[in-house]
Amino acid sequence: NAGVTQTPKFQVLKTGQSMTLQCAQDMNHNSMYWYRQDPGMGLRLIYYSASEGTTDKGEVPNGYNVSRLNKREFSLRLESAAPSQTSVYFCASTPWEGRTEAFFGQGTRLTVV
Amino acid sequence: RKEVEQDPGPFNVPEGATVAFNCTYSNSASQSFFWYRQDCRKEPKLLMSVYSSGNEDGRFTAQLNRASQYISLLIRDSKLSDSATYLCVVVMNRDDKIIFGKGTRLHILP
Repeated sequence: NAGVTQTPKFQVLKTGQSMTLQCAQDMNHNSMYWYRQDPGMGLRLIYYSASEGTTDKGEVPNGYNVSRLNKREFSLRLESAAPSQTSVYFCASTPWEGRTEAFFGQGTRLTVV
Repeated sequence: RKEVEQDPGPFNVPEGATVAFNCTYSNSASQSFFWYRQDCRKEPKLLMSVYSSGNEDGRFTAQLNRASQYISLLIRDSKLSDSATYLCVVVMNRDDKIIFGKGTRLHILP
């Protein structure tokens, strides 16, 4: 099983450029999440989707949009990248809401210059 | 007050020693609790769930104290391979948010 797959693994953007981070899971999980991790800050929740067709803001949603395309896929879009969005982004999924183990992708290392 | 708080460390502990971490949470309605481990530049992985009755997995013991709103992780006979960041996780069942603490860094010294 591939589990949770994130693409790309690395990306460098110029300020103002846009891009979409892709996440797909093949475990038939209902809930999916996007986090960012900065040194000393831990993982901060950007957006989450409790089930297909729903999305909700997390702790740090400003500057991001998400789409729960179907049950498998949950994408994160940066419309106009800023240096403050330089971070490692992790996607995660859980079988049912947050009550069991979360499975993570390997992360996307994004640098905005 | 932060929703989930942990001592960031680092904890520098000699091999073979016992080390304990605590994590406090602010929302009494929190229902599910976990400890995750994260190695440098890798994704977090589940270490163990934390149950009201406490649970043990080999050298690792997790406890939950609902009255005081904290969870703990005890590592006995620590190994060099235990060096990592340990993340406390709390789930708010009312809205399905999974909230991470900032993590506690552990260095096991030979």
